[in-house]
Amino acid sequence: QLVLTQSPSASASLGASVKLTCTLSSGHSSDAVAWHQQRPEKGLRYLMIINSDGSHTRGGGIPDRFSGSSSGAERYLTISSLQSDDEADYYCQAWRVGSWVFGGGTKLTVL
Amino acid sequence: EVQLVESGGGLVKPGGSLTLSCAASGFSFSSFSINWVRQAPGKGLEWVSSISNVATYIAYADPVKGRFTISRDNAKNSLFLQMNTLRAEDTAVYYCARFSKSGMFYYIDVWGKGTTVTVSS
Repeated sequence: QLVLTQSPSASASLGASVKLTCTLSSGHSSDAVAWHQQRPEKGLRYLMIINSDGSHTRGGGIPDRFSGSSSGAERYLTISSLQSDDEADYYCQAWRVGSWVFGGGTKLTVL
Repeated sequence: EVQLVESGGGLVKPGGSLTLSCAASGFSFSSFSINWVRQAPGKGLEWVSSISNVATYIAYADPVKGRFTISRDNAKNSLFLQMNTLRAEDTAVYYCARFSKSGMFYYIDVWGKGTTVTVSS
């Protein structure tokens, strides 16, 4: 069964970088993962898809401050030059035939 | 501009029914598969249902199977979710979400803003 695990919270300072992690359950280390951002009052936005080899494709209009990488079963979202606007919930998402799976989300606080 | 706009949410009593709609614009609706995804108050995202571009493939999450029906009208660029026998645990914001394919994997690439369903007596 495909399960995505995220840390509930993360924090980093304005202007710094932060790396969020999404871990795929056993047997799914070759799966791709998409990252989505949910800002208060702004709704959900697709950020990027990250493949097992670390290659990633950002959505339209997503700045290159957002980047992705992979290591084994982990898929990372790195946000550099943090802005106050980046304070949001971040969800990873994967797919298997017949179902869609989301991680529990990471609440990012920009200090 | 690619856009998905949900409507039809509201307050309904347990056991009642509601139909949600999602209007698409800015892209070739009949070329894309679409999901319904929900988010209960203070909780994370939960997949509800999927429908392929010409409705040949339909899938439901276990909690809604047998109670919800997804459908689409490509001539009207619209997606629907008929929800019957509603329960308190169906209370959530419901999003329609377009999905695309990358290699062997599917991912959501466009979200609507959501419509709120509250099931309460």
